[in-house]
Amino acid sequence: GAVVSQHPSRVICKSGTSVKIECRSLDFQATTMFWYRQFPKQSLMLMATSNEGSKATYEQGVEKDKFLINHASLTLSTLTVTSAHPEDSSFYICSAKGQGAPGANVLTFGAGSRLTVL
Amino acid sequence: DQQVKQNSPSLSVQEGRISILNCDYTNSMFDYFLWYKKYPAEGPTFLISISSIKDKNEDGRFTVFLNKSAKHLSLHIVPSQPGDSAVYFCAVGSTSYDKVIFGPGTSLSVIP
Repeated sequence: GAVVSQHPSRVICKSGTSVKIECRSLDFQATTMFWYRQFPKQSLMLMATSNEGSKATYEQGVEKDKFLINHASLTLSTLTVTSAHPEDSSFYICSAKGQGAPGANVLTFGAGSRLTVL
Repeated sequence: DQQVKQNSPSLSVQEGRISILNCDYTNSMFDYFLWYKKYPAEGPTFLISISSIKDKNEDGRFTVFLNKSAKHLSLHIVPSQPGDSAVYFCAVGSTSYDKVIFGPGTSLSVIP
C-alpha cells in the first residue's frame, strides 16, 4: 500500500532556531501534500496545502513566513518552522494523495513529528 | 464555526459489543467521507470511506453509514476488540477542492 515517511519523528530545538521536517511519499507520486498540526487532545488542524511545483496555500491564521512549505518534487515536501518558539511545540503531521495512492480521495499520513522548542 | 462535529469526545465499550461513533457535518457540498484511526504519537491511519452516492459501506468489522439528508455519518465496529482503542477522526471532503476537514475526534476505549 501507499506509504508516507516523515522525518524526524522527534526533534528538540532551542528557541530562535529553525527546524525542517520532511515528508516523502515512498511508492507513489504525491501531487498534493497537506500539513497538519495537532495540539494535545485536539483535532488535526490543516495548516497548508501544497501542490508540486507551486506555492503552498495556507489556511487562515497560519503564518506563511513562519511555516515555510516547499514541494519541490512529486515525492517530497518540507515544512520549515522558522525562528521557533515554545508555542510552536506541537505534533506536525503530513499527508499526501496522488497517483498510485489508495483511492483518489484517501489521504495517506506520515507518522508525525513531535517538535519541542525549549 | 466547526464544519465537522463529533459530539462525543470519549466512548467506552465492552469487548465484543458494538461501538458506534457519530459525526455531523454542516456543508452539503461535501461528497466523500472518511474515518481515520489514530494512536498516540502516531499519524492517523485510514479506516474506511464512503462517497455521497452510497448510504452504507462495509469492510470486515467496520461499517460506515451515511445519512445525507441529516448530514450525519456513523462508524459501527462490531465486535469491538481491545486493539480498537484509539482516537477516531471523522473527515469530510469535496471533489471540488483538495481539502479534507477533520472532526475533533472520539476516543474509544474497549474494555476487556
